[in-house]
Amino acid sequence: DTGVSQDPRHKITKRGQNVTFRCDPISEHNRLYWYRQTLGQGPEFLTYFQNEAQLEKSRLLSDRFSAERPKGSFSTLEIQRTEQGDSAMYLCASSLVLVRGRRDYGYTFGSGTRLTVV
Amino acid sequence: DAKTTQPPSMDCAEGRAANLPCNHSTISGNEYVYWYRQIHSQGPQYIIHGLKNNETNEMASLIITEDRKSSTLILPHATLRDTAVYYCIVRFTGTASKLTFGTGTRLQVTL
Repeated sequence: DTGVSQDPRHKITKRGQNVTFRCDPISEHNRLYWYRQTLGQGPEFLTYFQNEAQLEKSRLLSDRFSAERPKGSFSTLEIQRTEQGDSAMYLCASSLVLVRGRRDYGYTFGSGTRLTVV
Repeated sequence: DAKTTQPPSMDCAEGRAANLPCNHSTISGNEYVYWYRQIHSQGPQYIIHGLKNNETNEMASLIITEDRKSSTLILPHATLRDTAVYYCIVRFTGTASKLTFGTGTRLQVTL
């Protein structure tokens, strides 16, 4: 396993179009996170999954955003009716949380998908 | 999660030790200190974490003060490839805790 993979690496889209990003986590990791990062800022949390269940969503995740993780494996992040303010790097991370959640061994991040809305 | 304060930028000569400070004066007893770094155009990379004892691994050392209100990440022999943004994060290692990033310290390693 080569780590967390994200596809595509870059996406340019016109305002109003829908886009979908994919994240393939490390296979034995049961948690998957989505973050967004704009220039000069640290990554901002969007949402996370434990297996296939979406357990938390940030207020940053407007109703135009939807994330799924069918079967607890890969995840997709869709943005509908994109706006110029959606331009950012979208980062995916995965981690292993032990049974009963008593220990988290830290995140492994992918290289991100850079979205440009024109 | 407790907030952290880091200098926005630092310079270090190649081959010298880079000492990156972090203040976390409101840290609670069961919160850990984590360090991540982000090299340009890549995702953040885990470096090290600790609770109250000093920690060392192949990448760096983490020195936590006795009162746990501050810590220092030490890169013993900085190289040009260590140029990155370094994030100090305080969090629980429980199920409800996610990583919350600040703006970090931009470390520039120079010849």
